[in-house]
Amino acid sequence: GAGVSQTPSNKVTEKGKYVELRCDPISGHTALYWYRQSLGQGPEFLIYFQGTGAADDSGLPNDRFFAVRPEGSVSTLKIQRTERGDSAVYLCASSLSGGGRYEQYFGPGTRLTVT
Amino acid sequence: AQSVTQLDSQVPVFEEAPVELRCNYSSSVSVYLFWYVQYPNQGLQLLLKYLSGSTLVESINGFEAEFNKSQTSFHLRKPSVHISDTAEYFCAVSGDRGSTLGRLYFGRGTQLTVWP
Repeated sequence: GAGVSQTPSNKVTEKGKYVELRCDPISGHTALYWYRQSLGQGPEFLIYFQGTGAADDSGLPNDRFFAVRPEGSVSTLKIQRTERGDSAVYLCASSLSGGGRYEQYFGPGTRLTVT
Repeated sequence: AQSVTQLDSQVPVFEEAPVELRCNYSSSVSVYLFWYVQYPNQGLQLLLKYLSGSTLVESINGFEAEFNKSQTSFHLRKPSVHISDTAEYFCAVSGDRGSTLGRLYFGRGTQLTVWP
């Protein structure tokens, strides 16, 4: 079956603009995660959904970042008033359930560049 | 709090040589341990994992890692590397309690480069 997909693959935007990044998880996976990977770093946790609700959003850096998963499948990460420091690869992952023992399957990522 | 330390940012080795990529973690609760691999221009893929039971876990392509609770380590080893093993390797921890629930904490990664 299909893996996790993310769109767009690349996004270039100007400082101050609003962007939306989309994630399509593996069908049937109830848990969905967003991570951010800056150059030379490992992925950093942003938010975790179990079903439609955000079970843990403690990784969101500030209130410019927001994510939704209204029907428990597709998720959108929204960034308002983008800053150059937001430039990174944004990774989405899904797993069968939310426990730590379940394998997380990663998408290819969206490379965001803020100019 | 949980954290993962990968002691080497880059490891260059010659083909057919053995390799060890080091990973240490700190956690106040029981954890699950993972190694992910990222080949050039590809996404993260799970290489192997420790959940419970035998402390030595193996991957299908010859890598192995041993969970050492007393040393809080989960080093990755391969007795003979191939050029195709060239990739970035990430160690990660997760768990089932509190702030470890579900989320992965990653190290900074180790770039393994295998030379002919």
